[in-house]
Amino acid sequence: DGGITQSPKYLFRKEGQNVTLSCEQNLNHDAMYWYRQDPGQGLRLIYYSQIVNDFQKGDIAEGYSVSREKKESFPLTVTSAQKNPTAFYLCAVEGSGANVLTFGAGSRLTVL
Amino acid sequence: GDSVTQMEGPVTLSEEAFLTINCTYTATGYPSLFWYVQYPGEGLQLLLKATKADDKGSNKGFEATYRKETTSFHLEKGSVQVSDSAVYFCALFYNQGGKLIFGQGTELSVKP
Repeated sequence: DGGITQSPKYLFRKEGQNVTLSCEQNLNHDAMYWYRQDPGQGLRLIYYSQIVNDFQKGDIAEGYSVSREKKESFPLTVTSAQKNPTAFYLCAVEGSGANVLTFGAGSRLTVL
Repeated sequence: GDSVTQMEGPVTLSEEAFLTINCTYTATGYPSLFWYVQYPGEGLQLLLKATKADDKGSNKGFEATYRKETTSFHLEKGSVQVSDSAVYFCALFYNQGGKLIFGQGTELSVKP
């Protein structure tokens, strides 16, 4: 939405498998974020990146990894170390206004 | 640390009823405050924001006033519509770390 593309929209994974969620933006913004959403728990920050080739852990980074090789892309890998990966994952970019985030449509991951 | 607390949902209203969703925060300094809305199956969209005490944010008939004395940012709408059915998130921008902190979300259901 608004220049942010997340894919796939739905993803099923077997236990023990790594999966990578894609987030691409054409808004030319520097800062990008990954949030996890669980029912009744709001959004929790996984990782964020303020600039290319740099990223920081958020509140629940364990079991996840990211890279930021290009300004446009901030992929999230959910590793087999993540004990409860079934969730809705949201990517966001900052730049439409001070401290304002623009979100993608999300990716729903289900572990079978 | 900084945090946001919202009233629990779900909130069910009849069309044209008055809406209040309570939000209080704990923060050092003077954070910016936001309301985001999430329609079913979608990412979050910015609804309104306020950046300093006594500011009133407004959009689409929704309003919220930044009250420093009560550390609150309650969302109000005078007459809700069925199309307002969504999950509403209160958030603050955490100055130390450059990230948004979200409340747990309040689900609103408006019946015809």
